[in-house]
Amino acid sequence: EAQVTQNPRYLITVTGKKLTVTCSQNMNHEYMSWYRQDPGLGLRQIYYSMNVEVTDKGDVPEGYKVSRKEKRNFPLILESPSPNQTSLYFCASSLRQGKGNEQFFGPGTRLTVL
Amino acid sequence: AQSVAQPEDQVNVAEGNPLTVKCTYSVSGNPYLFWYVQYPNRGLQFLLKYITGDNLVKGSYGFEAEFNKSQTSFHLKKPSALVSDSALYFCAVRGGGSYIPTFGRGTSLIVHP
Repeated sequence: EAQVTQNPRYLITVTGKKLTVTCSQNMNHEYMSWYRQDPGLGLRQIYYSMNVEVTDKGDVPEGYKVSRKEKRNFPLILESPSPNQTSLYFCASSLRQGKGNEQFFGPGTRLTVL
Repeated sequence: AQSVAQPEDQVNVAEGNPLTVKCTYSVSGNPYLFWYVQYPNRGLQFLLKYITGDNLVKGSYGFEAEFNKSQTSFHLKKPSALVSDSALYFCAVRGGGSYIPTFGRGTSLIVHP
C-alpha cells in the first residue's frame, strides 16, 4: 500500500530533551516536507526537501532540523524542544517538486513538550 | 506574499442539501490551488486541484470546485451532502516564486442527518 508513515504517533517529553520524529514514504517521491498544525492557524510548513541531500526552510523552521540522506526518509529533529513546539506534526510527500503536484500526508504525530 | 482565506470556521448543512466551502486567495502569477480534507485523527487527504484549463474542477467523493480568477476564489462544492462528508477542509495555494504552499485555517463542515 502506498503510504507515508510517521513514528511515533504520540509523544510526551520534557523541555530540552532531544527527540526525532521519523517519516518514511514508499512511493519513490522526490519532494518531502514537514508541517505543524495548530488550532486557528492551519498548516504551516517547517522544512521541505526537493530531493536527497537538498533541504530548505519553510515558513516556521526555528527550533527544528531535518536531513534527507535517503529518498524515502525525512526525519524531523528537535534538538532542544520547548513548550511552544507542542503541536500536531505532519509529514508529506509528492512525486515531484513542481507546484502543481498534490501532497500525500502521513497520519500525524501529536507532540507535547512539558 | 501569498495568502489564503477561508472565511467560515464552520459550515452547517443538512444531508441531501448542496454545500459550499469558501476559499479566496492572493498570489503573484498563476495560482496552483488545492483542496484537502482531514477526518478526525487522520492526516490530510487530497480532494482536487486547479492548475490550468477548465474553471470547474472535479475531484474525489463527488466534490468539485470552481476557479474564479476575477474574484480570486476557489470554492469547494458538492450537489448533495452526506453525513460522512463531515470533516475539516483546507484550501491551499502555491504560486509566484515560492515552492512553499500556504494553507488556509480550515473550515469544519458539519452535515446533519
